[in-house]
Amino acid sequence: SAVISQKPSRDICQRGTSLTIQCQVDSQVTMMFWYRQQPGQSLTLIATANQGSEATYESGFVIDKFPISRPNLTFSTLTVSNMSPEDSSIYLCSGGSPNTEAFFGQGTRLTVV
Amino acid sequence: GQQVMQIPQYQHVQEGEDFTTYCNSSTTLSNIQWYKQRPGGHPVFLIQLVKSGEVKKQKRLTFQFGEAKKNSSLHITATQTTDVGTYFCAGRGGTSYGKLTFGQGTILTVHP
Repeated sequence: SAVISQKPSRDICQRGTSLTIQCQVDSQVTMMFWYRQQPGQSLTLIATANQGSEATYESGFVIDKFPISRPNLTFSTLTVSNMSPEDSSIYLCSGGSPNTEAFFGQGTRLTVV
Repeated sequence: GQQVMQIPQYQHVQEGEDFTTYCNSSTTLSNIQWYKQRPGGHPVFLIQLVKSGEVKKQKRLTFQFGEAKKNSSLHITATQTTDVGTYFCAGRGGTSYGKLTFGQGTILTVHP
């Protein structure tokens, strides 16, 4: 099983600023994904992070707001840009292979004030 | 797009009682997975079901995948306080290439 280290674990940010979240996997994984989760709610997929190319975004999420990088098979970043209080949430990265389990990072609890 | 509905949203049980959560997909799934998320934690993989009608057991947990591969259930026998958390099902469709669609989750509270 893979271990994903995600940081920061939490942050409080001013509106209008940007925060970059990093995920490092201890082994190569085919796929990496970014999710958003409101407390007590389900996971909503933001995008699939594609190695060496632009991420694939789900409906309602755009690259200008959530730019994603994935320079190799073990690392990815998600930036939450021009933040507003509505962006306050838990952000989770996950990794795995197409037909196997997903491993999750510990999550980043973001509060925008 | 694919939707996965999960019920109930909340379940409160006395320790020792049984617990079941159900998932239903709008489309046929290639496989379904179950995750547990403890309060303040991240989702942790429990099991994957692939075959039509498949039943798998992990100690007190029994997982089922429907014959049509559109529904699934998780049953916990004789709950313990360590079972507290949110249980999510997550389905993969035939064309989703690895993407998981999560159900809404069932928040389980176990009273000692």
